[in-house]
Amino acid sequence: KQEVTQIPAALSVPEGENLVLNCSFTDSAIYNLQWFRQDPGKGLTSLLLIQSSQREQTSGRLNASLDKSSGRSTLYIAASQPGDSATYLCAVGVAGGTSYGKLTFGQGTILTVHP
Amino acid sequence: DGGITQSPKYLFRKEGQNVTLSCEQNLNHDAMYWYRQDPGQGLRLIYYSQIVNDFQKGDIAEGYSVSREKKESFPLTVTSAQKNPTAFYLCASSRVPNEQFFGPGTRLTVL
Repeated sequence: KQEVTQIPAALSVPEGENLVLNCSFTDSAIYNLQWFRQDPGKGLTSLLLIQSSQREQTSGRLNASLDKSSGRSTLYIAASQPGDSATYLCAVGVAGGTSYGKLTFGQGTILTVHP
Repeated sequence: DGGITQSPKYLFRKEGQNVTLSCEQNLNHDAMYWYRQDPGQGLRLIYYSQIVNDFQKGDIAEGYSVSREKKESFPLTVTSAQKNPTAFYLCASSRVPNEQFFGPGTRLTVL
């Protein structure tokens, strides 16, 4: 059974700092990996999608990498801002069978960026 | 605007009552999903549907039921058999197996 772990559980940084959020998964037979942002009481916003054949994806100040062989992904946030404060969730997509398209989520990293 | 809508935003249930959560999408996605989120935890999959008139149980389907009669709609019923239904419920859709998009959620509270 796929298990997804996110480290750290919470992170507090001063504005302007570059930071890295970590995600690890136990089964390397994934189809894709998705990073989401969730604000309190809200739904999830998709940030980046990495297909299993890709090594990284970039969107603005965000860069996500994927190393399937080691079961790891990182989300790099450059020049953090108070508006980046949210919970960041990592999810891996299953490959094949009737489970095709299912996502397994980590528990998230709560990020606080203080001015 | 294209997107996913969920209603109601807040829902209160009495003991022994069935309630239905609505999820509608106009993204022309084939697949739809229901997740449950408890405080401080990630999302857990309840049910998912890859095509109209077909759906599969997720990891925590007991006490829940769904239907998929239309491509745009995937309602979730929380039955009285669900012993601990208080949670935040999220609906999502995708073109399998690509990026999933989420609705704003429904917060269900048992009185």
